[in-house]
Amino acid sequence: AQKVTQAQTEISVVEKEDVTLDCVYETRDTTYYLFWYKQPPSGELVFLIRRNSFDEQNEISGRYSWNFQKSTSSFNFTITASQVVDSAVYFCALSEGFYGKLTFGQGTILTVHP
Amino acid sequence: ETGVTQTPRHLVMGMTNKKSLKCEQHLGHNAMYWYKQSAKKPLELMFVYSLEERVENNSVPSRFSPECPNSSHLFLHLHTLQPEDSALYLCASSQERVVEQFFGPGTRLTVL
Repeated sequence: AQKVTQAQTEISVVEKEDVTLDCVYETRDTTYYLFWYKQPPSGELVFLIRRNSFDEQNEISGRYSWNFQKSTSSFNFTITASQVVDSAVYFCALSEGFYGKLTFGQGTILTVHP
Repeated sequence: ETGVTQTPRHLVMGMTNKKSLKCEQHLGHNAMYWYKQSAKKPLELMFVYSLEERVENNSVPSRFSPECPNSSHLFLHLHTLQPEDSALYLCASSQERVVEQFFGPGTRLTVL
């Protein structure tokens, strides 16, 4: 069975600090997809990134970067120079199988203080 | 309207009521999903519809009954719910079943 673990339940930082959110996954499949979603207080999950299991290139998008390492089954997310608007719950998710079933981690509550 | 919309945004119902949650996607996707998000629990997949056919029922009690009349609409019919069913119910859609899913704002359900 697939599993996603986000060890950090809550993180609190001060604006402009860099912060890394950890994600570790378990799967028996050789083909799978990893995702990060952001859930602001409004409740809607916002898609941030998808990574395919056969593509280990790291990705940077503005202040966001992702580090995918198959050897350690990790898909970590770093926010550089954090801002108050980054405050939200962040979910890592794993999709495997034909029907796109997403398994979510418990989520990490990120609070950025001014 | 754009993206994925859900109505109502908030719903309070008694245990003997019957109500329905509605989801509509304006993205031209061919798969739709219902998720349940309870406090202190991970998001749980409830149902998956692909091309209007239910392809996954994740051991959900029969008091939850989904309906997908076409690829743009998804309903969740509720009857004789329990207080522990109180949660945020999220709808999502995707173009194919393995790519990213786009979520609606959710319906906050309270069962008294």
